Formats: sequence, C-alpha cells, structure tokens
Amino acid sequence: QQQVKQSPQSLIVQKGGISIINCAYENTAFDYFPWYQQFPGKGPALLIAIRPDVSEKKEGRFTISFNKSAKQFSLHIMDSQPGDSATYFCAAILNYGGATNKLIFGTGTLLAVQP
Amino acid sequence: EPEVTQTPSHQVTQMGQEVILRCVPISNHLYFYWYRQILGQKVEFLVSFYNNEISEKSEIFDDQFSVERPDGSNFTLKIRSTKLEDSAMYFCASKQGPSYEQYFGPGTRLTVT
Repeated sequence: QQQVKQSPQSLIVQKGGISIINCAYENTAFDYFPWYQQFPGKGPALLIAIRPDVSEKKEGRFTISFNKSAKQFSLHIMDSQPGDSATYFCAAILNYGGATNKLIFGTGTLLAVQP
Repeated sequence: EPEVTQTPSHQVTQMGQEVILRCVPISNHLYFYWYRQILGQKVEFLVSFYNNEISEKSEIFDDQFSVERPDGSNFTLKIRSTKLEDSAMYFCASKQGPSYEQYFGPGTRLTVT
C-alpha cells in the first residue's frame, strides 16, 4: 500500500514535444507528491511538487496534473529540450510536515529528448 | 548554493568488511536521511535521523546498519559486515525543517565483491 507505480520505464520524445510521465498510488493518506529529476552521477533534485487539494500545478514548462479520485498524478514537460534528458521519479510522502517525511519513490522514467 | 556532499564517491569492499559512508549535510539543516538505489531500481528509504536519534527506519535497515552524527557536521552510515546485496548507490539527504524540501547529495557507489 505504500508503493507508487510509475510508467513508462523509458520515453523518447522529439525536441519541442510534450513528455508525459504517469504515477499511481494506493494509500490515500499520502499528502504530498513531489517529482524529482536525476542526471547521471547526481542525486535526485526536486523539480515540482503538489498537494492533493490542488488539481494542477505549473512551473515554467513543467506541470503536475493530479486526479485525487483516480489516485493518479502525472508530469507534463512542455516544449521538451535535450537538456531535459534525465531520469524522472515521482514520489509520495505520508504525513507531510511530520517528524520523518520519508520519500516513497516510483521506479523512475528515463527520458531522452532527441534534437 | 549550499549542497550536501558525500565521500567517497565510490567505495569497493570485500564481503564481510565494515564500511562507513560519510555525508556533510547543509549546515542549518536538522533532518537527515539515507536512501539507497540498487542499479536499475528505484530509490529506497533507509533511515531518517532527527535530534540525534533515529526517527524512522525501513525493513532494509537491520542490525548491520547504523547511523551517527559524530560532530555536528558529519552524518555517517555504517554497514558492519557487508553483503553482496548491499552493492548500491547510497544517497544522503537533509532538510531544514518539517515542511521543507529534502536536498540530496551526489551519492556513494558501494561495490561489494
């Protein structure tokens, strides 16, 4: 019940296209949903995050869409660029703001944006 | 910009040996974490540490693992007797307060032979 399922495993998009990565969860007690970007040789870095009381959050070219009833959320990268090529992880946190706030990660999506 | 640092970047050890992975969290951060990522798999939570004690640990974090904040700046993960299945990338993370972002270090790749 503490899993986050992520798809696709890998994604190839042409420059300027839209990249879409999907995640689903079971535990309705999750209350914070961040997306992390990881470049080779680096640790994950927070890209954008959303609370479940909001259906959409946009920051620049990155948008999270959140469907609470379906227990699904997705990352959309508009106008994808070669520099966006990285591994993307969705994650969830239980009891955000509590003592632990451990991140429960999805399995990751390797995005390649072709020039 | 402040960042989390980890040393070494790559550690090779023989099965049964003890290893210590070191992290220097961002200086005003109060919450500390270790995660690991086995090659090709997802990042998994190991342990969280706050106020000089473990606040939560996962099933992976058994008696072979321990954490310590020995001097107010370093945060270490010790594996007492390494196994082949401990081979992974280990990430340290820290955050300033309860509702703040976790910042990750670049990781230590541990290879157990």
